[in-house]
Amino acid sequence: ETGVTQSPTHLIKTRGQQVTLRCSSQSGHNTVSWYQQALGQGPQFIFQYYREEENGRGNFPPRFSGLQFPNYSSELNVNALELDDSALYLCASGPAGFNEQFFGPGTRLTVL
Amino acid sequence: ILNVEQSPQSLHVQEGDSTNFTCSFPSSNFYALHWYRWETAKSPEALFVMTLNGDEKKKGRISATLNTKEGYSYLYIKGSQPEDSATYLCAFRASGNTPLVFGKGTRLSVIA
Repeated sequence: ETGVTQSPTHLIKTRGQQVTLRCSSQSGHNTVSWYQQALGQGPQFIFQYYREEENGRGNFPPRFSGLQFPNYSSELNVNALELDDSALYLCASGPAGFNEQFFGPGTRLTVL
Repeated sequence: ILNVEQSPQSLHVQEGDSTNFTCSFPSSNFYALHWYRWETAKSPEALFVMTLNGDEKKKGRISATLNTKEGYSYLYIKGSQPEDSATYLCAFRASGNTPLVFGKGTRLSVIA
């Protein structure tokens, strides 16, 4: 096991709602990245946080936002949910950058 | 847009067979190539990080090679076992501070 946990395991929302997904990293991991894996696709980079600041962003709109806390936990928030947001969301933490990333098991989000 | 391709998409082998699959990536601006093993309902597990052309890495019955000049990496599994059944993901990085770009994965099923 990687020591990275995510909650909830799965959830169902309706279009237009807001959702918060949570990730708990290993102690000492200053970096957390979030990925979206749509059905039949590889994981796609959403953004990375380093020491509580956004440190890089993929091709996702501003309604995808995040927070990182000093206790090695982090959140992914998605506003105004759309049907296409249905996917598995993975977080990955590491000591720094992208060299070494430890993934959580993911949260499966279904938007109806 | 960086494109990482994995083939085959899926394969079924008999227990004891050896198998291999391919990851293709852009041959320019190479920094690193990551391999992950992902069992259903678990976290993706890092197998290898490869950085140098000609690299060969081994972990038990699993090994990988890297050709950065032609833009491909092979993953080999010798004497497949049912517990090797998983999706194998590769991810490419173009520089030290750019995120992982994943392929869609190869789903391996080993039949006892």
